[in-house]
Formats: sequence, C-alpha cells, structure tokens
Amino acid sequence: DIQMTQSPSSLSASVGDRVTITCRASQGISNSLAWYQQKPGKAPKLLLHAASRLESGVPSRFSGSGSGTDYTLTISSLQPEDFATYYCQQYYSGPTFGGGTKVEIK
Amino acid sequence: EVQLLESGGGLVQPGGSLRLSCAASGFTFSSYAMSWVRQAPGTGLEWVSTIRGSGGSTYYADSVKGRFTISRDNSKNTLYLQMNGLRAEDTAVYYCAKAGNEGWYFDLWGRGTLVTVSS
Repeated sequence: DIQMTQSPSSLSASVGDRVTITCRASQGISNSLAWYQQKPGKAPKLLLHAASRLESGVPSRFSGSGSGTDYTLTISSLQPEDFATYYCQQYYSGPTFGGGTKVEIK
Repeated sequence: EVQLLESGGGLVQPGGSLRLSCAASGFTFSSYAMSWVRQAPGTGLEWVSTIRGSGGSTYYADSVKGRFTISRDNSKNTLYLQMNGLRAEDTAVYYCAKAGNEGWYFDLWGRGTLVTVSS
C-alpha cells in the first residue's frame, strides 16, 4: 500500500498569510494526487486533482504543485473561510489519504 | 441538483450487521465508479471500498475485506454497503463519494451517515 505523510499536522496562521502544506508518498504516484478541504461537521470538498488542476469554483488562491513523491498545496493569501482541515489523497494505486493538516487562526 | 444522500446508519452491537444506502441524483450514475469513505470520530479519512460503474469489479480496504460488501443498482441510482461482523473500530461517519473523470479521486460527497458499534 502507498502511505501518504502529510505535514505539518497543524499550523496557526493569520488572514493574509501564505500557507504551504506538504504531502509525501511512500513511492512515486505520477501526479495522481488530490487535495480536499474539510470543515467541522461537513463532508470533504475537492480542491484540486492531478496535483495541480483546480476544480471549478475553487478560488485561485489555492494552487498545487509537485512530482514524483513530493507534493504541495499552497494558499497564497489565507482568508477567514479557509480555516479548516486539509487532506491529500493519492489515487495512483488504491486510494489512500494523508493524515490531515488543521489550519487554525493565529 | 447533483447530490448524494446516505441513509441506514445507526447504533449496532459488536458482531452485528447494517446496510447503508446512497441515493444519487443529477448525474449519469452508471457512468462512474462509486466509493465509500469513512471517518472515525476526531480522526482522518479512510477509503473503505469502490465499485466500478458497471458493478462488475469491486475493491476493498484490508480492514474491511471479507466483512463488507459494496454493490449498486444502476436502475435505482443507488449505492449500497452491507456491513457484517461489525467491530468497535468500525464506528465512523460513512460517506458515499463519486469518483472523478480521471481516476479515483472524489469530486462529489454525500453528507455522511454515522455508524456506531457499541454494546
């Protein structure tokens, strides 16, 4: 099974900050990576797939990059509605999720 | 409206059974693989099972293999998860999720249904 290691597990940031979350796969996943946002009591929401393809309706302040085993989600200017938990997920071989990153208000 | 709506969760004793349903609307259900993903209280997301659009192929996480069965009725636009031999560690919110066009990422989620396994 492919293991996904996400870091950090939590972070504190202020509105307007640039935030970066990293996901590392235990083997190469050929950009088969998705990012989700989840707010308390709600279902996850797909933000990007194929490592960098933004879903329709997702603000352009969200972006994704990476290759091979290492991938990054960047929020260029954190907004109040962005405080949530973020998950990466590989779909190269049998879906697996990272452990999540909780983005909290500083 | 494009949506997924789960039902069937509840409280069940260890060793018991439960069947979850997920009603789909607003898209061509039979064209997409469908999955169940669960989230234990206060923890992260865990993929449980996937079934291809035709229903011909099914896939399971090791943690549920041999105990859970995924199925679908494309005439009713409904996905199912039959859960047998339930354990305390199966306690979670179970989400129904639609696979994307380019792989097994999940571009549409239901609101989830809570399964609690306890005596």
